[in-house]
Amino acid sequence: KAGVTQTPRYLIKTRGQQVTLSCSPISGHRSVSWYQQTPGQGLQFLFEYFSETQRNKGNFPGRFSGRQFSNSRSEMNVSTLELGDSALYLCASSPEEGTGGLAKNIQYFGAGTRLSVL
Amino acid sequence: SQQGEEDPQALSIQEGENATMNCSYKTSINNLQWYRQNSGRGLVHLILIRSNEREKHSGRLRVTLDTSKKSSSLLITASRAADTASYFCATSDYKLSFGAGTTVTVRA
Repeated sequence: KAGVTQTPRYLIKTRGQQVTLSCSPISGHRSVSWYQQTPGQGLQFLFEYFSETQRNKGNFPGRFSGRQFSNSRSEMNVSTLELGDSALYLCASSPEEGTGGLAKNIQYFGAGTRLSVL
Repeated sequence: SQQGEEDPQALSIQEGENATMNCSYKTSINNLQWYRQNSGRGLVHLILIRSNEREKHSGRLRVTLDTSKKSSSLLITASRAADTASYFCATSDYKLSFGAGTTVTVRA
């Protein structure tokens, strides 16, 4: 199976702009989660989508949003970019509930999108 | 916020030596996982240990878990240059809560 695919790999934006990142999960995975990684805060959970619904959300401002499509592909959007939004954004997918007990706890990550805000 | 702390923050060893890193966490867990990240790329799942397990092996990896101390350790035996990476422990409920990570450098 193909792994988790994130596009684009690199992005450079300026303050105030908005950005959309894309994630294609492993075929058959319906749960998609997003994480932000920065040197100062480490890896932080943004949100999780399952069957086109946001199921869980981390402690980030409303400028961070996402959605999931019927084919499980997901996008996240950041509006009104700030310098502090510069980070590596990671998408991860998981098998759906009921497919092997603890298997659903294991997340499969994409290579990430590195966003630089100038 | 991060789940806990990893110790040491950085580790440099010679190829063939063993590398040990520790992780502490704050809350009760059902399981704990270890992930590897190569140079700012995505994370790769290494091993999952359940709360009722004390030790688990996978190839050159050995993980221990002490729920009374809320701590875990990862041992990499006979290290190779390709083991150079950052290693993270993570507890899981609906999300993964990661530690700060240990950066391991294996010198040839």
